[in-house]
Amino acid sequence: EDKVVQSPLSLVVHEGDTVTLNCSYEVTNFRSLLWYKQEKKAPTFLFMLTSSGIEKKSGRLSSILDKKELFSILNITATQTGDSAVYLCAVMYSGGGADGLTFGKGTHLIIQP
Amino acid sequence: KAGVTQTPRYLIKTRGQQVTLSCSPISGHRSVSWYQQTPGQGLQFLFEYFSETQRNKGNFPGRFSGRQFSNSRSEMNVSTLELGDSALYLCASSPLAGGPPHYEQYFGPGTRLTVT
Repeated sequence: EDKVVQSPLSLVVHEGDTVTLNCSYEVTNFRSLLWYKQEKKAPTFLFMLTSSGIEKKSGRLSSILDKKELFSILNITATQTGDSAVYLCAVMYSGGGADGLTFGKGTHLIIQP
Repeated sequence: KAGVTQTPRYLIKTRGQQVTLSCSPISGHRSVSWYQQTPGQGLQFLFEYFSETQRNKGNFPGRFSGRQFSNSRSEMNVSTLELGDSALYLCASSPLAGGPPHYEQYFGPGTRLTVT
């Protein structure tokens, strides 16, 4: 059964700290890995990763994929209270002539002032 | 541009009933995906429609169905509701035509369904 596991499940840090969120996966016919930030209701897209070793960066956020070891990390540097959210990892895969998408349970990140 | 809109925002139904949820994508977006979010299972993919055709489907029973209209608006229907169907149902739209459908999605605010 395909699965996506995120760790830690929750994390509390102070403003200014750097955090690393982890996502490991086991899927057949991997296509891409996606990161989302969910604050109140709807998730917002952060990154899509398809190739190993190529870092995607957006401001203080960055992410990288390791397709050999089947994991991805999301880094947030100089954290701010506005970074508090649930960070979701999702993996897209191909199978049976169609694509599928499996989400992890998320990492609940709390940034304390 | 107006964002993705979903109606209704809140809904209470009883077991055995059926429900229809509506999603209007961002203007010009042709792909609409539906997700179910529960505290226990997290965010789960239901299905995706593109140009009025279901292109991808998650692992949900046949009680969950959907459709897309020519204006890209989409509806999701759940028949014979069960208590476990209580969840936040999110709709997301994407401008992509072909190729991976699940990135650069724009989510709506969701419909909170409670089944009693």
